[in-house]
Amino acid sequence: DIQMTQSPSSLSASIGDRVTITCRTSQSISNYLNWYQLKPGKAPRLLIYGASSLESGVPSRFSGSGTGTDFTLTISSLQPEDVATYFCQRSYRTPPYIFGQGTKVQIK
Amino acid sequence: QVQLVESGGGAVQPGRSLRLSCVASGFTLSNYVMHWVRLVPGKGLEWVAVISDDGRSKFYGDSVKGRFTISRDNSRNTLSLQMNNLTAEDTAVFYCARTPTNKITVAGARFDYWGQGTAVIVSS
Repeated sequence: DIQMTQSPSSLSASIGDRVTITCRTSQSISNYLNWYQLKPGKAPRLLIYGASSLESGVPSRFSGSGTGTDFTLTISSLQPEDVATYFCQRSYRTPPYIFGQGTKVQIK
Repeated sequence: QVQLVESGGGAVQPGRSLRLSCVASGFTLSNYVMHWVRLVPGKGLEWVAVISDDGRSKFYGDSVKGRFTISRDNSRNTLSLQMNNLTAEDTAVFYCARTPTNKITVAGARFDYWGQGTAVIVSS
């Protein structure tokens, strides 16, 4: 089975900082990797699909990159509304649909 | 606009059953594959089950196989999850989510719309 490792589990950064979250898989999944944002009490939100495609309506400060086994979600300039937990999800050889462990982003 | 609204959550004792519902609006439910995904406290997101657009194909996560049943009524724009023999490990917020495809086993599947979730607490 393809293992997924997301890091870090949490981070604190200042407003305006560049934030990077990593997702690694044990086998190549090409570009079949999606990223989601979760806020308490709200519907989860798709941010990035296909490793680097920005979902409609998502601010351009969010970007995704990577292929094969290493993927990155970047927030170019952290904003207060970006406080949330972020999850990666592989969309290769599904079902099952496997998520990363999550990264909680807070403001320093 | 696309909306998914879950209901049916609550507190239940171990071994009991619960049925969750998700009402869809703003799109034609019969054109889409639908899922249940849960957010487990302290553990993260876990995919639970998927159902094909016509309801004929269903797949389940290992932790719920044999206990949970996903179903849909496209005429009523409703997705359901029957949960039997609940345990404390099923405590979670349950979300219904849409995949913008009409095939289950397609590479690149993503969850493009989610509901706000319904909380299930299993405790004695």
